[in-house]
Amino acid sequence: GENVEQHPSTLSVQEGDSAVIKCTYSDSASNYFPWYKQELGKGPQLIIDIRSNVGEKKDQRIAVTLNKTAKHFSLHITETQPEDSAVYFCAASSSSGTYKYIFGTGTRLKVLA
Amino acid sequence: GAVVSQHPSWVICKSGTSVKIECRSLDFQATTMFWYRQFPKQSLMLMATSNEGSKATYEQGVEKDKFLINHASLTLSTLTVTSAHPEDSSFYICSASSWPNEQFFGPGTRLTVL
Repeated sequence: GENVEQHPSTLSVQEGDSAVIKCTYSDSASNYFPWYKQELGKGPQLIIDIRSNVGEKKDQRIAVTLNKTAKHFSLHITETQPEDSAVYFCAASSSSGTYKYIFGTGTRLKVLA
Repeated sequence: GAVVSQHPSWVICKSGTSVKIECRSLDFQATTMFWYRQFPKQSLMLMATSNEGSKATYEQGVEKDKFLINHASLTLSTLTVTSAHPEDSSFYICSASSWPNEQFFGPGTRLTVL
């Protein structure tokens, strides 16, 4: 079935360094890839997304890249700050059927001051 | 825009009782709403998809008679956990969608069953 793998499961970086989280999807029909940040006890918040007709998208310190051939996409956070510490989830969605999301397993990011 | 609310934010109930969780899209009409369950330190697992005025579609392994979903209007969906047991304790999150692919998530409801 459809599957999204996410790595690493935990990531610690020094403040100011960059963080990269990678996801791989299995469904070749997937065409929308959102990234979410989830803080403890809260719902996920969309931080950036990318569609399959685009290879890269950037929003200030956050960027996402997509390699459709390899079926993987990555989240890049530059100049990390302590408030970036959270759990990050990638997801993949297909335009066929119900547009449901398949979530990755999550990455716990710790930014050390 | 695209704000989704959930009520209550947390609830504690006794084993055997039923609990209803509401999900509302505040500033848009949601043709589709999704219900997720998240156990501690785990990812979001889709429980069911509901379209306004239609019966919900449940994911494999989710008991439809235990988790009753009603999507009576374009701005409201409810999840009722019937005869709740301690193993149903979890973080329940809804999302609402009006555009292809995009889902907007609620803040979640923490259910604790004693």
